[in-house]
Amino acid sequence: GQQVMQIPQYQHVQEGEDFTTYCNSSTTLSNIQWYKQRPGGHPVFLIQLVKSGEVKKQKRLTFQFGEAKKNSSLHITATQTTDVGTYFCAGGTGANNLFFGTGTRLTVIP
Amino acid sequence: EADIYQTPRYLVIGTGKKITLECSQTMGHDKMYWYQQDPGMELHLIHYSYGVNSTEKGDLSSESTVSRIRTEHFPLTLESARPSHTSQYLCASSDHGVAGGYEQYFGPGTRLTVT
Repeated sequence: GQQVMQIPQYQHVQEGEDFTTYCNSSTTLSNIQWYKQRPGGHPVFLIQLVKSGEVKKQKRLTFQFGEAKKNSSLHITATQTTDVGTYFCAGGTGANNLFFGTGTRLTVIP
Repeated sequence: EADIYQTPRYLVIGTGKKITLECSQTMGHDKMYWYQQDPGMELHLIHYSYGVNSTEKGDLSSESTVSRIRTEHFPLTLESARPSHTSQYLCASSDHGVAGGYEQYFGPGTRLTVT
């Protein structure tokens, strides 16, 4: 069945350092979405990528969708304490549901 | 801010009790979802609905049931709660998005503890 894996599972960084999480799907995706869940909160939509090789930026966040549309990455430049949380990718296959990744929990040390 | 609501936010209940978790959205979305998430872990889809009178089981087997009599309302029921049901339950809704995608809006969740 459909699987979406993320690495690393956990990441501790010093404030100001960069952070990257990687998302890999076992099948080709029609789109990929990224969500952020703060500790004790609920997932909040960040962005969606649709095109092969697409790159999108949101301030210090850069999102990429692989050429084969089976992998994606989220890169945060110069992390801040407000970046703390778990980042989930979610792959869409053209049907109605999303397959959420396993998540990467980011801790930022001040 | 998304207009999707869940009640109760926290529930502690004894084994064998019947419970219903409420979820309502005011965005007119056709699609609604229930996820189960243990603390710090991934989300598991347990039920979804494409619209009124449509309900489907998700990827994770669950002893819960759902109904969709009205577009805005998608309650989840456990007939007999067990300690293994202890978890956070997240409700979400979505509409058609750009290029076939569909951003999901999540409610605040219900943290269920079965003693």
